[in-house]
Amino acid sequence: DTAVSQTPKYLVTQMGNDKSIKCEQNLGHDTMYWYKQDSKKFLKIMFSYNNKELIINETVPNRFSPKSPDKAHLNLHINSLELGDSAVYFCASSPRLAGGPTEQFFGPGTRLTVL
Amino acid sequence: AQSVTQLGSHVSVSEGALVLLRCNYSSSVPPYLFWYVQYPNQGLQLLLKYTTGATLVKGINGFEAEFKKSETSFHLTKPSAHMSDAAEYFCAVSDLRGNEKLTFGTGTRLTIIP
Repeated sequence: DTAVSQTPKYLVTQMGNDKSIKCEQNLGHDTMYWYKQDSKKFLKIMFSYNNKELIINETVPNRFSPKSPDKAHLNLHINSLELGDSAVYFCASSPRLAGGPTEQFFGPGTRLTVL
Repeated sequence: AQSVTQLGSHVSVSEGALVLLRCNYSSSVPPYLFWYVQYPNQGLQLLLKYTTGATLVKGINGFEAEFKKSETSFHLTKPSAHMSDAAEYFCAVSDLRGNEKLTFGTGTRLTIIP
């Protein structure tokens, strides 16, 4: 199926650990994103990459490091996890077309719980 | 800076009744406006979007929204609610500067009463 996929779907870990979330899209899109959705459902962009180049970095602690090995993948690595990092993390992608912003396609989310 | 305000974090309507979800935006440049829906334990799915042109936009599942520049609003409506419409709805704004950044509202949870 053509889609945005994320692994794992659920991630439970202890404070202080380092973890990664992987995202892959097979839609041929140039731009990929990471969003954080908190317990109140508020959704906020963290990062955006266009063709492996970082274009948006929204004042995210440097414990969070995105990595884009190619334009179909955008992984999120988190060091020294804190309780406040517990959230649902969504990956998204969009085509880059002339004329302005286009639809973003979202993955199913990764629910991170830090104990 | 852009912002989105969704009035009413929870809206309940009876099955068959009109659905009205409110969204007001703030943007210093002409906005692109979006409505996304999130079903439980799923990612977001685009319902509809306004870019330019016709201000009444029709989307999937019978939803539509009207861009009113004078009111800085982009309210979402559906004439007759269905049980399957129960979900979280997010309004979002982007701008024309090309960095594809979406700013979301805080969401409205729609409950359908049988």
